[in-house]
Amino acid sequence: EDQVTQSPEALRLQEGESSSLNCSYTVSGLRGLFWYRQDPGKGPEFLFTLYSAGEEKEKERLKATLTKKESFLHITAPKPEDSATYLCAVFSGSARQLTFGSGTQLTVLP
Amino acid sequence: KAGVTQTPRYLIKTRGQQVTLSCSPISGHRSVSWYQQTPGQGLQFLFEYFSETQRNKGNFPGRFSGRQFSNSRSEMNVSTLELGDSALYLCASSLAAEGTGELFFGEGSRLTVL
Repeated sequence: EDQVTQSPEALRLQEGESSSLNCSYTVSGLRGLFWYRQDPGKGPEFLFTLYSAGEEKEKERLKATLTKKESFLHITAPKPEDSATYLCAVFSGSARQLTFGSGTQLTVLP
Repeated sequence: KAGVTQTPRYLIKTRGQQVTLSCSPISGHRSVSWYQQTPGQGLQFLFEYFSETQRNKGNFPGRFSGRQFSNSRSEMNVSTLELGDSALYLCASSLAAEGTGELFFGEGSRLTVL
C-alpha cells in the first residue's frame, strides 16, 4: 500500500523567510510524484510532477526536488500570497491511483 | 479555456437519502477522477473513468458509484447517506489516463449530511 507523509502539518513564516516542506513516501514502483497547492474553498491546483530521483523543477519562488524516499518543496523568500495548503501525492504502478498526503498548511505573515 | 465545473457547489441532505453530483471536465479531457476530502482523512481516491470505462476504484463501499458519458461528463452517486459522508467531493480531469498526467480539479461539491 502506498503511503505519503507530509511534514510539518503547519508552518508559519515571516515574509521573506525561506523554508522547506517535506514529503516522505513509500511506494512500489513510483511513476510520478506530484505537488499541488490548495487555497481555502478551492480545489487543488497542480504545481509540479517529478518522475525520478535527482529531478528538480522550479516555478517562481517554489522549487521541488526528489530523492528515492522523499521530496522537498523549497520556498524562497515567500510572500503572503504563498499562504495555502501544499499537498504531495504519488502515483505507483501497483496502486494505479493517486495517493495524497495530508498536506502542510503554510501561512506567510507580512 | 473553461476549467472543470462541478454542480451543485453546496448541498444538504439527511441520512438515508441519496445524492448525485455532476462534473464537466475540461474540453478534450477524457479522464475524470473523483476524490473525497475530509479534515480527518484528507484526499481519498474514489474512482477514475476514461472513455466511459471505470479504470480504477478506491476503497469505498458500494454505496458510492459513478459513471461517465460519451461527452466525458461524469456523475457520482452516493446512496443511503451516512453522517460520515459529509465531505468535499472533488472531480479532476486530465488528458492522460490513470493519473499519470497533471490533474485539473474543480472547486468541489460540499455535501453536508444531517
